Amino acid sequence: EDKVVQSPLSLVVHEGDTVTLNCSYEVTNFRSLLWYKQEKKAPTFLFMLTSSGIEKKSGRLSSILDKKELFSILNITATQTGDSAVYLCARLNAGNNRKLIWGLGTSLAVNP
Amino acid sequence: GAVVSQHPSWVICKSGTSVKIECRSLDFQATTMFWYRQFPKQSLMLMATSNEGSKATYEQGVEKDKFLINHASLTLSTLTVTSAHPEDSSFYICSAQRGAYNEQFFGPGTRLTVL
Repeated sequence: EDKVVQSPLSLVVHEGDTVTLNCSYEVTNFRSLLWYKQEKKAPTFLFMLTSSGIEKKSGRLSSILDKKELFSILNITATQTGDSAVYLCARLNAGNNRKLIWGLGTSLAVNP
Repeated sequence: GAVVSQHPSWVICKSGTSVKIECRSLDFQATTMFWYRQFPKQSLMLMATSNEGSKATYEQGVEKDKFLINHASLTLSTLTVTSAHPEDSSFYICSAQRGAYNEQFFGPGTRLTVL
């Protein structure tokens, strides 16, 4: 089954904290894993991960994929109130089926 | 690059009318676009995959006669909600696929309210 499980479901932290969001997935027909940030509107693309062990970084955000243990993490360092959002993880299957299989998201609230 | 627009961003209509939502990839061509709907505090639900020049592929439980999809060009897909009812009120989001690794870029969404 193509399940994507994110944890935690919800997280509240103070500004300046570092957070780690988790995403685990099923192995079948895996091609890549994507992270998105959703505030009040549609999701915005953060990272796409295809290879294991290679960290992708953008400012205070970074992400890495472990294809052996079937999970990815999204790290946010020195969090700011503007990081408050739902972070969505999705897997993309190989082959002709190009659908994204979505996790339920982690809701992050960063308090001042 | 990779900008996707949606029009309108917000629409209110009466029950029984039809509403058309446009999704455009502004700076790239997309043979595949996706339509999602999202209810408050829930995750994205894929409704259908829109393929340029061919029929859309609908997910289980999504009525194809209710949600008409047309992908007439490489930069435009439209979703028409026919005979809309209050239960169709939702946030409709499209995405366009780009690149060898099929990254998806989302439009800003259309909030539909049916009275």
